[in-house]
Amino acid sequence: DQQVKQNSPSLSVQEGRISILNCDYTNSMFDYFLWYKKYPAEGPTFLISISSIKDKNEDGRFTVFLNKSAKHLSLHIVPSQPGDSAVYFCAALPRRGNEKLTFGTGTRLTIIP
Amino acid sequence: GAVVSQHPSWVICKSGTSVKIECRSLDFQATTMFWYRQFPKQSLMLMATSNEGSKATYEQGVEKDKFLINHASLTLSTLTVTSAHPEDSSFYICSASPPVTGTLGQPQHFGDGTRLSIL
Repeated sequence: DQQVKQNSPSLSVQEGRISILNCDYTNSMFDYFLWYKKYPAEGPTFLISISSIKDKNEDGRFTVFLNKSAKHLSLHIVPSQPGDSAVYFCAALPRRGNEKLTFGTGTRLTIIP
Repeated sequence: GAVVSQHPSWVICKSGTSVKIECRSLDFQATTMFWYRQFPKQSLMLMATSNEGSKATYEQGVEKDKFLINHASLTLSTLTVTSAHPEDSSFYICSASPPVTGTLGQPQHFGDGTRLSIL
């Protein structure tokens, strides 16, 4: 039972354009959402997060949008850079203070120079 | 720099060997650490939650006698894969949670993972 899904296993974007990565979840108890970036043979690196009380959070080139009614979140990267090429995982927490993450299936982003 | 150190980064050993993986939090004391497993091109699957000074909590389907977890101090958790077999070959990743501050503490910090290959 995959509670957090990323339906696009891969995405290719031209350098300088916007990358949009999508994530859907089924558990309405999820309260906090995070995006991680992962290179091969390395652990995930935290990028950005959003609480369920917000619908948008921005940090530099990264913006996360949350649509609670649709149980959908997205990560926007603009402008995309070659160094952004990696696998991106969304993750969810059931409530504040509970650190038990549920990860999505990942999307491999390739930025084309 | 890295706040969570995982060692070793790569292990190759014969079937039947027991392998120990260490996870250290470098910049903070972690009462809770997590162990994940990732198969090729798949998501990170939580195996167990390691609690300092108490028994680990294992996820459904994870054999606790196979994957021994010890969290003896606030900066060190170890995962021992006992009598490893080829099907145990995988990428194992640990993470540590800093102390919670405010409404939600900082997210988990991950180690760089351990590639385990059982021949």
